[in-house]
Amino acid sequence: TQLLEQSPQFLSIQEGENLTVYCNSSSVFSSLQWYRQEPGEGPVLLVTVVTGGEVKKLKRLTFQFGDARKDSSLHITAAQPGDTGLYLCAGVGGGDYKLSFGAGTTVTVRA
Amino acid sequence: GAVVSQHPSRVICKSGTSVKIECRSLDFQATTMFWYRQFPKKSLMLMATSNEGSKATYEQGVEKDKFLINHASLTLSTLTVTSAHPEDSSFYICSASPRGGTGSLHEQYFGPGTRLTVT
Repeated sequence: TQLLEQSPQFLSIQEGENLTVYCNSSSVFSSLQWYRQEPGEGPVLLVTVVTGGEVKKLKRLTFQFGDARKDSSLHITAAQPGDTGLYLCAGVGGGDYKLSFGAGTTVTVRA
Repeated sequence: GAVVSQHPSRVICKSGTSVKIECRSLDFQATTMFWYRQFPKKSLMLMATSNEGSKATYEQGVEKDKFLINHASLTLSTLTVTSAHPEDSSFYICSASPRGGTGSLHEQYFGPGTRLTVT
C-alpha cells in the first residue's frame, strides 16, 4: 500500500476565503483522484489527474498534480458553505487498480 | 453516467445474525468492484477487491469467512457480514471501476454507502 499524507486534517474558514488542501507521498502514482464526501453518503469523484504538472479547473476548484506525480493540491477560491465536506485524495500506483486514500481533510465553510 | 447504488442504505441487526449488502453499477459494466469500511470522520479502508467470476482478494487483517463477497455479474457484487457483532457496526461503501474504457485512469465510482448497526 502506498501512503498518501493529506493536510491539514481540519480546516474552518469564513465564506469568501480561499483554501488549499495538500496530498503528498514518497511514491509515484499513475493517477490521482480527488473526492468530496458529505456525511452519510459515498465519496463523489471531483477530478482525476494523470500527467505530471497537470492543472485542472472545475469552477472555483483548481487541482494540480506534481511534476513527479508524487503530490497534488486542491485549491478552492472564494469558498462557499456548499463546499463544506470531507475531501479525500486517492492515488493509483503499482500494478493493481487499488486506490490508496489519504486520511481526508474536513472543510467547514462558515456563512 | 457512472452511477453505483447500494442496498440497503441502513440496516439494524441483532448480534449473531448475517446481513447482506448489495452493490450495483446501474449504467455501466464493472469487472472490478471494491468494498470499503469507514469509521466516523475517518478515511476509507479497503476491505477487499471483488472480481467478476473469480474469488475476491482480501486485504490483510480482513477475515474472508466473516465478510463473504460474491461478484455474480458485471453489475452486481454482494457483501455478507456473517455472525455480526457490535464491533462490525460501521459504514460500508462499495465502488466500481468501468470495464475497459478508462485505460490508465482507474477511476472508481462510489455507492452511497450502507450504515450497519449491530445491536
